[in-house]
Amino acid sequence: QVQLVQSGAEVKKPGASVKVSCKASGYTFTGYGISWVRQAPGQGLEWMGWISAYNGNTNYAQKFQGRVTMATETSTSTAYMELRSLRSDDTAVYYCARVGAVIPFKSDYWGQGTLVTVSS
Amino acid sequence: QSVLTQPPSVSAAPGQKVFISCSGSSSNIGNNYVSWYQQLPGTAPKLLIYDNNKRPSGIPDRFSGSKSGTSATLGITGLQTGDEADYYCGTWDSSLSVAPFGGGTKLTVL
Repeated sequence: QVQLVQSGAEVKKPGASVKVSCKASGYTFTGYGISWVRQAPGQGLEWMGWISAYNGNTNYAQKFQGRVTMATETSTSTAYMELRSLRSDDTAVYYCARVGAVIPFKSDYWGQGTLVTVSS
Repeated sequence: QSVLTQPPSVSAAPGQKVFISCSGSSSNIGNNYVSWYQQLPGTAPKLLIYDNNKRPSGIPDRFSGSKSGTSATLGITGLQTGDEADYYCGTWDSSLSVAPFGGGTKLTVL
């Protein structure tokens, strides 16, 4: 069965970086992409961007351009999302989700979420 | 502010039906597929509807989706208390090259 297992919770200081991993299993990793979505406390879903594990193409939401990097490691079927220059309003649960290889139309499987807390 | 607009909340009694709207534009809903997600409290979102009106395996037919022009609608019939959740629409925006979500709609089953 398809599973996305994310790394554990993180506590970071303002200005630091965080790298969240998302290990996929149960499907051909390079046949799909991975989207990253975050949810601040009490707020809605916010799409951050996505990466195609098929061809490595990425699209980032303008809000995160220059501050986020998404990558995949096909040998381990793992996707990574690094967010730099963290601020307190980056405190959120970060989700990875499986999407299409060319256009991320639907997020059909989701990771369990990784809580990132940014606090001095 | 999301490019997709949903009502913040809807409510209905058990057994009744409810509709949740998602309004966009020609660059997103108007020319791309719409998906709907259910997020129960404290859990990750779950795909309910994809390609405007298709249900993944295991999703009961009480949930339905439709699209007309630049708007989409999620319908839920035979409401149960277990349907209380936040519901989000999502699509692709061809002009912005982003995959926005609506702001979310909180369903209360009275």
